[in-house]
Amino acid sequence: EPEVTQTPSHQVTQMGQEVILRCVPISNHLYFYWYRQILGQKVEFLVSFYNNEISEKSEIFDDQFSVERPDGSNFTLKIRSTKLEDSAMYFCASRWGEKLFFGSGTQLSVL
Amino acid sequence: KNEVEQSPQNLTAQEGEFITINCSYSVGISALHWLQQHPGGGIVSLFMLSSGKKKHGRLIATINIQEKHSSLHITASHPRDSAVYICAVKKGDSNQFYFGTGTSLTVIP
Repeated sequence: EPEVTQTPSHQVTQMGQEVILRCVPISNHLYFYWYRQILGQKVEFLVSFYNNEISEKSEIFDDQFSVERPDGSNFTLKIRSTKLEDSAMYFCASRWGEKLFFGSGTQLSVL
Repeated sequence: KNEVEQSPQNLTAQEGEFITINCSYSVGISALHWLQQHPGGGIVSLFMLSSGKKKHGRLIATINIQEKHSSLHITASHPRDSAVYICAVKKGDSNQFYFGTGTSLTVIP
């Protein structure tokens, strides 16, 4: 069964450093998402991407965040200058019709 | 303001019990998802509903669009059902999904 893959599974970084989280969505899906889940809290929407551009973004998705689909398969989330409060599990998802498929997540720890 | 409310927040059941988890939402939706989050963190989609009822094995999900309410039922619960169950809705005029805070289920042998 096709799946969404995310790398790395864990990322540890120093505050102020840039990180890039990578995702390979399911190949024929058109809508892609990044979500985050801070430990003990609910899953929060960050951004949705369609037709090679951002279609919606939340208040969390400020200028420190950016997304790209550089080569038609990878879908990346970049955090330019990480803060302690960026520590969370980041999930990528892709959508076919109304059905959502999640990656297994990247646990980001900012020290 | 939470667009999606779930209850209960935590639930402990004996193996074999019938379990119900509830989800209420306040926005117009085009779809509602029930998700399962394992202790390791991975999220799996169990059901996608836009109306009526769906059944998969011991799991049943229902939705009442007029009342903006959905329920997830687990029959003959088993310790392997222990997980966090999350309700998520897709707003009708949006590409966003809104998530509930989840229901943490523990099934005791």
